Amino acid sequence: DTAVSQTPKYLVTQMGNDKSIKCEQNLGHDTMYWYKQDSKKFLKIMFSYNNKELIINETVPNRFSPKSPDKAHLNLHINSLELGDSAVYFCASSPSWGSGHTEAFFGQGTRLTVV
Amino acid sequence: AQKITQTQPGMFVQEKEAVTLDCTYDTSDPSYGLFWYKQPSSGEMIFLIYQGSYDQQNATEGRYSLNFQKARKSANLVISASQLGDSAMYFCAMRGVVTNAGKSTFGDGTTLTVKP
Repeated sequence: DTAVSQTPKYLVTQMGNDKSIKCEQNLGHDTMYWYKQDSKKFLKIMFSYNNKELIINETVPNRFSPKSPDKAHLNLHINSLELGDSAVYFCASSPSWGSGHTEAFFGQGTRLTVV
Repeated sequence: AQKITQTQPGMFVQEKEAVTLDCTYDTSDPSYGLFWYKQPSSGEMIFLIYQGSYDQQNATEGRYSLNFQKARKSANLVISASQLGDSAMYFCAMRGVVTNAGKSTFGDGTTLTVKP
């Protein structure tokens, strides 16, 4: 039973399109995140949510709009895709906002390729 | 703010030998956790080991141990008896409890290659 699951695993799309990535966790965690891993494998936080509320937005272009319908789900919608958006996007969760002493659980990643 | 530095972009080790992957950190948080993750070529992030900032003893998990030196702000990963399956990218990460709650900061990673 997958703890953090993302769909789709692969996404190939043309420039200018709009796409969504879905994430669900069945761990009962309060906090969820989106990370971007670029072609050089650098991992950077994009958004952090706590109990469905957006808490951290790390200067991500507003073409990226996360949505959390409930605390088990965190989706990422991307408008007007650009070549530079090509990356692997990871969803993750942790028990609570201040749980700095517990590992974050990662989804398997979504490899987005914009052509 | 918090920062993780991994100074070794790539490392090689002979099978069955031990290897140390370096990690230094900086943070303004009074309490924090340090983590190591493994990312094989298949792409998933696999949690390996955790060290709390107030832990007196170094963490160990099977063949993995974390050499934690708080005064030096270092949290090096030691892999003993390397196996071919250990070839992967390794990330050091940290997350605070107060100032830097809600986000893990990752280092740039170290690519480990285990030679037969």
